[in-house]
Amino acid sequence: EAGVTQFPSHSVIEKGQTVTLRCDPISGHDNLYWYRRVMGKEIKFLLHFVKESKQDESGMPNNRFLAERTGGTYSTLKVQPAELEDSGVYFCASSHRLAAAQYFGPGTRLTVL
Amino acid sequence: AQSVSQHNHHVILSEAASLELGCNYSYGGTVNLFWYVQYPGQHLQLLLKYFSGDPLVKGIKGFEAEFIKSKFSFNLRKPSVQWSDTAEYFCAVNAEGSQGNLIFGKGTKLSVKP
Repeated sequence: EAGVTQFPSHSVIEKGQTVTLRCDPISGHDNLYWYRRVMGKEIKFLLHFVKESKQDESGMPNNRFLAERTGGTYSTLKVQPAELEDSGVYFCASSHRLAAAQYFGPGTRLTVL
Repeated sequence: AQSVSQHNHHVILSEAASLELGCNYSYGGTVNLFWYVQYPGQHLQLLLKYFSGDPLVKGIKGFEAEFIKSKFSFNLRKPSVQWSDTAEYFCAVNAEGSQGNLIFGKGTKLSVKP
């Protein structure tokens, strides 16, 4: 069984540019979560999808962040325009059931210069 | 608001030493508890989890954790660490009946000297 995959593994962009991160969850996992770890801080929840529906986006920092999950399969997280404080590692995780163990992808390290 | 505290930022041990990493959470209701590990260059992996039942949970690679409800704690233990246990360890919780989003501690880096 393939695990959670994320693309790209690294992204370096300049302030004001746009970046789109992609996450492919484990096949059959309806629940998909995005998290972010800013350097030196804890991993923080961003949002949660059940299939294609956003269930909880209370962790999204601001309206520069837009997440989608077309058809309930893979998800994208777009940052537009990127700011310096958006730098960090963005993790995606999926689970079969609510509140069950989540399986994490390798993360995308975003650096905004 | 719910929060998770991990008491140690960086722990350095010699091989064969015993390990205990502290984790406390603040939440008055029923929680599910997790320890994740991130080895250098790898992704977060589930080490063990507690949902209900026996408060002493055994995980992979010889790790175990004990849930003490009265202390709001879920400390991770291993009787004898190996160099390959060098990693960052994260305690996380989610609330029973929640949407499942995890609240993480800041992580503890463990360095094991050969």
